[in-house]
Amino acid sequence: GDQVEQSPSALSLHEGTDSALRCNFTTTMRSVQWFRQNSRGSLISLFYLASGTKENGRLKSAFDSKERRYSTLHIRDAQLEDSGTYFCAAANYGNEKITFGAGTKLTIKP
Amino acid sequence: EAGVTQSPRYAVLQEGQAVSFWCDPISGHDTLYWYQQPRDQGPQLLVYFRDEAVIDNSQLPSDRFSAVRPKGTNSTLKIQSAKQGDTATYLCASSYRNTEVFFGKGTRLTVV
Repeated sequence: GDQVEQSPSALSLHEGTDSALRCNFTTTMRSVQWFRQNSRGSLISLFYLASGTKENGRLKSAFDSKERRYSTLHIRDAQLEDSGTYFCAAANYGNEKITFGAGTKLTIKP
Repeated sequence: EAGVTQSPRYAVLQEGQAVSFWCDPISGHDTLYWYQQPRDQGPQLLVYFRDEAVIDNSQLPSDRFSAVRPKGTNSTLKIQSAKQGDTATYLCASSYRNTEVFFGKGTRLTVV
């Protein structure tokens, strides 16, 4: 069954606002990776986390280190170029299998 | 360092035709993945290799799809007798020792 549940499925924001995307896992995961898919279909890696938090400019991601059942991606001061579809992908313990969520389509409006 | 390279970037087929997709992973990466991404959906794993060995091909439609990685480097995904339902973007990715995964730009397949 589905192991990675991503929310919300779509989000529309004005420039300058903050947002939070979330992925819940139905089982304990080893690591999580966040991607943004641009209009050409390329998957750009934003963060890879095996635990804790990482920050890069206006983006910050966290992976629940205790139970390893969810991860979040925060976007601060959203800009037009942040528009796109964001995916999380989680890796199971015991193998290299990586499962994607269904994505969050983010639209930033002027 | 070169990224993951895929070819072709686009393919248009009629139903019943065959097509092959090629992937060159990042040098030294032991794990290679093939994903299928239908329009407006998340990528779905088809098959993955560790070196030359198939580790999981349970989601690969075995009657028409095949994938090989004979020397543990490049890989080929082949569709025999394509169907309209195969229309999707096919993504190749690689990683080293269960860490960060890197994706190619994908092959966009349209079956008419």
